Amino acid sequence: QQPVQSPQAVILREGEDAVINCSSSKALYSVHWYRQKHGEAPVFLMILLKGGEQKGHDKISASFNEKKQQSSLYLTASQLSYSGTYFCGTEYRENNNAGNMLTFGGGTRLMVKP
Amino acid sequence: NAGVTQTPKFRVLKTGQSMTLLCAQDMNHEYMYWYRQDPGMGLRLIHYSVGEGTTAKGEVPDGYNVSRLKKQNFLLGLESAAPSQTSVYFCASSYGLREVSTDTQYFGPGTRLTVL
Repeated sequence: QQPVQSPQAVILREGEDAVINCSSSKALYSVHWYRQKHGEAPVFLMILLKGGEQKGHDKISASFNEKKQQSSLYLTASQLSYSGTYFCGTEYRENNNAGNMLTFGGGTRLMVKP
Repeated sequence: NAGVTQTPKFRVLKTGQSMTLLCAQDMNHEYMYWYRQDPGMGLRLIHYSVGEGTTAKGEVPDGYNVSRLKKQNFLLGLESAAPSQTSVYFCASSYGLREVSTDTQYFGPGTRLTVL
């Protein structure tokens, strides 16, 4: 079942912060975050693992709340280059044999204005 | 390393025509995937492969066939194209190792397909 992302879209001014949420109705093994620029392929940002810690690089970080079955992506002091659509990909390791089959959310469109 | 490549980049078909999309990866990945992306729908899995010679259905497999004759290539076929198959198609690959907890999927640049 597809994870639900919120908000669907957000507009920021340069330097502002944003939070994007990804919620699942099933227990998660991991959450993968991607960013996609218009007309380009999704680019991997980071993985959050079950039992893992909050991750981050540069001014983008993420957390994983196993109990709430959700992950949040935090963009701090946003830059123009952060504009794009952010997707979460959720991994459920029930009885499948695949290493990392992902189910993607519908995406959050982020626009950063000067 | 070219990563994941896809050909063609663009294609226009008429209803009923057939075509094959080619995906190639040079990372020695075991797993390969085909997705379609429609506006506001995110990425939906069409078919995937967990190794050379294997294929399996994803979420939206109807109207598509796939083949994985070589480890580095994954082909997506449309036997009789329909306007509902107008979309952007992405190929992805991953190591597919459960032991590698940080394994993720790497995407190709996409193929924009229009069916008239």
